[in-house]
This record gives sequence, C-alpha cells and structure tokens, in this order.
Amino acid sequence: GDSVTQMEGPVTLSEEAFLTINCTYTATGYPSLFWYVQYPGEGLQLLLKATKADDKGSNKGFEATYRKETTSFHLEKGSVQVSDSAVYFCALPWPNSGGGADGLTFGKGTHLIIQP
Amino acid sequence: DADVTQTPRNRITKTGKRIMLECSQTKGHDRMYWYRQDPGLGLQLIYYSFDVKDINKGEISDGYSVSRQAQAKFSLSLESAIPNQTALYFCATSRGVGYNEQFFGPGTRLTVL
Repeated sequence: GDSVTQMEGPVTLSEEAFLTINCTYTATGYPSLFWYVQYPGEGLQLLLKATKADDKGSNKGFEATYRKETTSFHLEKGSVQVSDSAVYFCALPWPNSGGGADGLTFGKGTHLIIQP
Repeated sequence: DADVTQTPRNRITKTGKRIMLECSQTKGHDRMYWYRQDPGLGLQLIYYSFDVKDINKGEISDGYSVSRQAQAKFSLSLESAIPNQTALYFCATSRGVGYNEQFFGPGTRLTVL
C-alpha cells in the first residue's frame, strides 16, 4: 500500500544552519504530497504542499519539490530559527476502498531541535 | 476561537471503562477524521466520515467506534479501554474531494491504566 518514509530524528541544528529532512514515498500514480508541522502541545498544521510532479511547495522559508523520478519530497530551509523547533511530518492521501483518496498517511515524524 | 475543538484535553481511565472523546468544528467542513498518534509511529487513521450518513473505517479501527451526530460533531468511543490504547488522539476536518488539506484539533491525551 501507499506509504511514506522519512528520516528519523531527533535532528539537532544550530540557529541559521541549513536544514534538510528527507521524505520518500510509495504510491500508485502521482498523489498530492504534504508537509505538516506540529509545534509543542499543539495539533498538526499544514506547512506546504505540492499537487503534481515538479511542483515546489513553499511557506515560511521552507521549500519542498515533488520529484517523481526519485519519489521524494524533501523539506529544506536555508536558515533555521529556534522557533522552527517542532515535529515535521511528510504525508500523502490515503486511498479508500472506492479508489478515491481520503484521510492522510503520515510518516513517523522528524523531531527538529534548533539550538541558539 | 479554535476552529476544531476536542474534549477532554486529558483523560486518565482504567482498563475496561467506556470512554468517549468529542470533536466539534466551526469550519463548515463536511469531512471529519480521527487519528491516533503514538511516539515514533506518526499518526494513524482510525475512522473518517464524509457526511452525517457516511462512516468509514481507517487503518486501525478495531476497538473503536464513532458517531457523527451532526455536520459539526464527530465522537470517538472506546467501548472497553485497554492500556495499548494509551495515545494522543486528534480530530481533523477537511472540505472534501480535491481539498486534502486537513485542519487538526489540539488533541486529547488518553491514558489507560
């Protein structure tokens, strides 16, 4: 079935460092791809998305490019801040029995810690 | 005000007890979801509902049931709680087909002793 694999954490970086969090997926066809972020004590919120191959999603300085050749959707940021400390989840739609898509399949999450 | 609310936020219960977790939304979305989050396992879909008359099982529905009382309300029940159901539970909503962005509530931390 469809699945997402992302690098395990925690990932610890210094402020202003470059960030990459790897995400690869297995899916039938070319589903939309998402990155969600969970700040401490909160629910998940959408960070960015890409709906087709070669699309680049971006938000808050984060970027991810949908690469169908490598089935990847790696998250990057050029200069991280302490406020970026959170858990990041890569996700794709979960196909229901009717062949459509609903709900999301998440990776296990990557805990990012940014030190001042 | 929060668009997706969950009650209670924290609950400690004993094995064998019946528990209900409630979710309400003011976003006007048709679709609602229940997920559980376990450390190191990400989130897993328990149930989802397209509208009041539609309920669907997710990846891990065994041991759970749901009720969609209205468009804005979606409850999750554990008929007889067991310790391995200790987890963080999230409710989420979305607009419908083609709009896969989901909006999450703040979560309910459930501990089963």
